[in-house]
Amino acid sequence: DGGITQSPKYLFRKEGQNVTLSCEQNLNHDAMYWYRQDPGQGLRLIYYSQIVNDFQKGDIAEGYSVSREKKESFPLTVTSAQKNPTAFYLCASSIDPLKNEAFFGQGTRLTVV
Amino acid sequence: LAKTTQPISMDSYEGQEVNITCSHNNIATNDYITWYQQFPSQGPRFIIQGYKTKVTNEVASLFIPADRKSSTLSLPRVSLSDTAVYYCLVGDWKSGGYNKLIFGAGTRLAVHP
Repeated sequence: DGGITQSPKYLFRKEGQNVTLSCEQNLNHDAMYWYRQDPGQGLRLIYYSQIVNDFQKGDIAEGYSVSREKKESFPLTVTSAQKNPTAFYLCASSIDPLKNEAFFGQGTRLTVV
Repeated sequence: LAKTTQPISMDSYEGQEVNITCSHNNIATNDYITWYQQFPSQGPRFIIQGYKTKVTNEVASLFIPADRKSSTLSLPRVSLSDTAVYYCLVGDWKSGGYNKLIFGAGTRLAVHP
């Protein structure tokens, strides 16, 4: 089945460690996005990518990094520079940037211990 | 930037019709209006999208007045399972055609028995 897959579902990290969240899609979508969601809050855009080998910072990119080496994959690294990384992370892909429709993964819940 | 404004929360009862209005005074000519639904610990799900007038699908209706400065999502005969957060999005264009897919805080709908 076509879809967008995030892994792992739950992730625990020690302070000072980098961690990479996986996002894979087989929908042949050009655009991909990473969001962060804190309890009771809306989604905040971290990074987005319109095409392979190109990506742009969103509203809260500090402490995060991404790569887009393949159309299907858009991994997010949460670095030790991110001071408050505990959150719910959502990846999305879009078939048509003109029309905003996006498909989301099930999310990764990151907890710093 | 086409910023959106929605009520923070709404309450309803099973079987009632719910209307959620979104203001987007700075909507651009090429922008579409899209609504998403999010359940706890899940990624948002596309509900409906429109450009002008009225759009209806099996889930909801979207009413857009002629000036397009607002839109109303209408959920007919809601049930307990419609309890969720609803987001209104309007295309957010960067020069060169990038679509940042900006989510606001959304409207938290609670449906009561």
